[in-house]
Amino acid sequence: NAGVMQNPRHLVRRRGQEARLRCSPMKGHSHVYWYRQLPEEGLKFMVYLQKENIIDESGMPKERFSAEFPKEGPSILRIQQVVRGDSAAYFCASSPGTVSNTIYFGEGSWLTVV
Amino acid sequence: GENVEQHPSTLSVQEGDSAVIKCTYSDSASNYFPWYKQELGKGPQLIIDIRSNVGEKKDQRIAVTLNKTAKHFSLHITETQPEDSAVYFCAASKAGGSYIPTFGRGTSLIVHP
Repeated sequence: NAGVMQNPRHLVRRRGQEARLRCSPMKGHSHVYWYRQLPEEGLKFMVYLQKENIIDESGMPKERFSAEFPKEGPSILRIQQVVRGDSAAYFCASSPGTVSNTIYFGEGSWLTVV
Repeated sequence: GENVEQHPSTLSVQEGDSAVIKCTYSDSASNYFPWYKQELGKGPQLIIDIRSNVGEKKDQRIAVTLNKTAKHFSLHITETQPEDSAVYFCAASKAGGSYIPTFGRGTSLIVHP
């Protein structure tokens, strides 16, 4: 049973370009979470999605950031017009959305903005 | 919303010693407390969790205790080994439904051989 799959693992973008990070949840999981981790810091919640629905995006910057989880295909975190401060590790996690609510993380996507 | 405080931020021990990491939470409605281990360059991996209907849970060298009254929970690692070196995160959430775990800031554990 494959775990949470994220790609790309590493991404380099120039300032002003767009970054797209993809996440395929574990099989049977319908809930996806995105977290951002800056160097030497903890995990900051960004957005929580279910299929075709954004449940909570309270941690996501209002501008340049968007997320989706379509009916078919992976969840995508999109960052437009990237700036140096967007450089971070972005982790996706998934859960089955049942009573247990345990979330499982992917290996992360490391974004570097040059 | 929930607020989770984690201490210490760095913990250095000798191989074979025990290590204890402590967390406090603010929302008395939280009832699910997982712990994650993150190795360098990797994603956080769930190592143990506890629900509010128990006070302690053990899995080999790892144990977690929960004090609901005081709203704090702790991770205990006995007989530490160099491969235990990593960053450990605690989290708190409400089990079931659409609840989002809130994480502590992490503890960097260094086990010296």
